[in-house]
Amino acid sequence: AQTVTQSQPEMSVQEAETVTLSCTYDTSESDYYLFWYKQPPSRQMILVIRQEAYKQQNATENRFSVNFQKAAKSFSLKISDSQLGDAAMYFCAYTASSSSNTGKLIFGQGTTLQVKP
Amino acid sequence: DAGVTQSPTHLIKTRGQQVTLRCSPKSGHDTVSWYQQALGQGPQFIFQYYEEEERQRGNFPDRFSGHQFPNYSSELNVNALLLGDSALYLCASSLGVSDTGELFFGEGSRLTVL
Repeated sequence: AQTVTQSQPEMSVQEAETVTLSCTYDTSESDYYLFWYKQPPSRQMILVIRQEAYKQQNATENRFSVNFQKAAKSFSLKISDSQLGDAAMYFCAYTASSSSNTGKLIFGQGTTLQVKP
Repeated sequence: DAGVTQSPTHLIKTRGQQVTLRCSPKSGHDTVSWYQQALGQGPQFIFQYYEEEERQRGNFPDRFSGHQFPNYSSELNVNALLLGDSALYLCASSLGVSDTGELFFGEGSRLTVL
C-alpha cells in the first residue's frame, strides 16, 4: 500500500528566510504524481506545486521549489523568502498515474508552518 | 469563475442521526471526490463520483454513501452517525479526462457529532 510520511509536525521560519519541509513516500508504482498542498486557517486546500515522477527536473513555482529524489522516495518543499501569508498547514500528497483520473490522493499527516515577523 | 462550493459550512448532529452534505464542483469540472479530515490529520479519501457513478472508494463503511446529479453536483450521506465521524468533510473536483491528478478543493463542511 502507498503511504506518505511527513515527519515534522511543526516548523517555524523567520520572515524572509528559507525553510524546507520534508516528505517521504512509499510506492511500488513507477509512474505517479506528487503534490504539496497548503491549508490555511480558512480550511481551503490550495495546490502549491506538482511534480510528475517521470520528470527528472525539479518543479518550481515562484518562491516554492521541490527537491525530488525518486530513488530515495523523498519529496521536500523549499519556501524561499518566507512571507507571513505562507503560515499554514502543508500537506504532501501522492497519486499513482493509474488512479489520477479517480481523484484518490494519499496525504501525509501535515506540517504546520509558523512564520515569525 | 466559481470554485468548489460546499454546504453547510458547519453542522451539529447527535449519535445515530443521518447527515447530508452537498458540493458543487468548479465550473467545467465533471468529477467530484470526497475526503474526511480529522482534526490535525491529513484528508482521507472516501470516494469519487464520475458520470453519476461511484468510480473508486476508500476504506470507509457502507454508512458512507453518495450521489452525483446530472449537473455534476454531489451529495455525501452518512447514516447512523458515530462520535468518530466528527471531522471536516472536503469536496474536491476535477476533470474526468484529466491526467494531471490535480484536485480543486472546497472549504469543507465541519461536522460535529455529539
